[in-house]
Amino acid sequence: AQSVSQHNHHVILSEAASLELGCNYSYGGTVNLFWYVQYPGQHLQLLLKYFSGDPLVKGIKGFEAEFIKSKFSFNLRKPSVQWSDTAEYFCAVNAGTSYDKVIFGPGTSLSVIP
Amino acid sequence: GAVVSQHPSWVICKSGTSVKIECRSLDFQATTMFWYRQFPKQSLMLMATSNEGSKATYEQGVEKDKFLINHASLTLSTLTVTSAHPEDSSFYICSALMSAIQETQYFGPGTRLLVL
Repeated sequence: AQSVSQHNHHVILSEAASLELGCNYSYGGTVNLFWYVQYPGQHLQLLLKYFSGDPLVKGIKGFEAEFIKSKFSFNLRKPSVQWSDTAEYFCAVNAGTSYDKVIFGPGTSLSVIP
Repeated sequence: GAVVSQHPSWVICKSGTSVKIECRSLDFQATTMFWYRQFPKQSLMLMATSNEGSKATYEQGVEKDKFLINHASLTLSTLTVTSAHPEDSSFYICSALMSAIQETQYFGPGTRLLVL
């Protein structure tokens, strides 16, 4: 069965600090990988996704993620965070087909201090 | 584009009553919709996968008679919580698959259910 783990439950950063959120998945086959963000009081939004091709994926709002197949990882990065990045971040995976279910990681709560 | 709505956004009901939650894809057709449940400060747990015109596929541990899912059209799926109890109180979120080509789910804003 697929599973997704995220390294940190809660991260606190000062503005302008660099961000890296860890995500690992367990599945031996082809996967699609996603990062979603949930701002306070809002619904889930897609930050970026990886299906194939360049393992370094750029998303919205300056976020990027790198797929490292050998490590089963898909870490999210941002070089300089802003207070508005305070949110819950979810890594998710599905097993390579659009019809398959998406499994979410437990989430990482990011708090950015002005 | 790719907007998914849910109705109602908030519902409070008495124990023993049934509650219907609607999920609509407003500007696209969705052959597949998913229903999730999210507890406070926790991740989304997939409850079931709903395909238009066929029976929903439920995840292990989810009671199909408790959580009735109907996907009658390409733009509407409904989740009915039957004989709701306080432990059913939660945040229910749906998502819709835009198309097989896009392979991206778009999420609704969620419905908060409180059972007294």
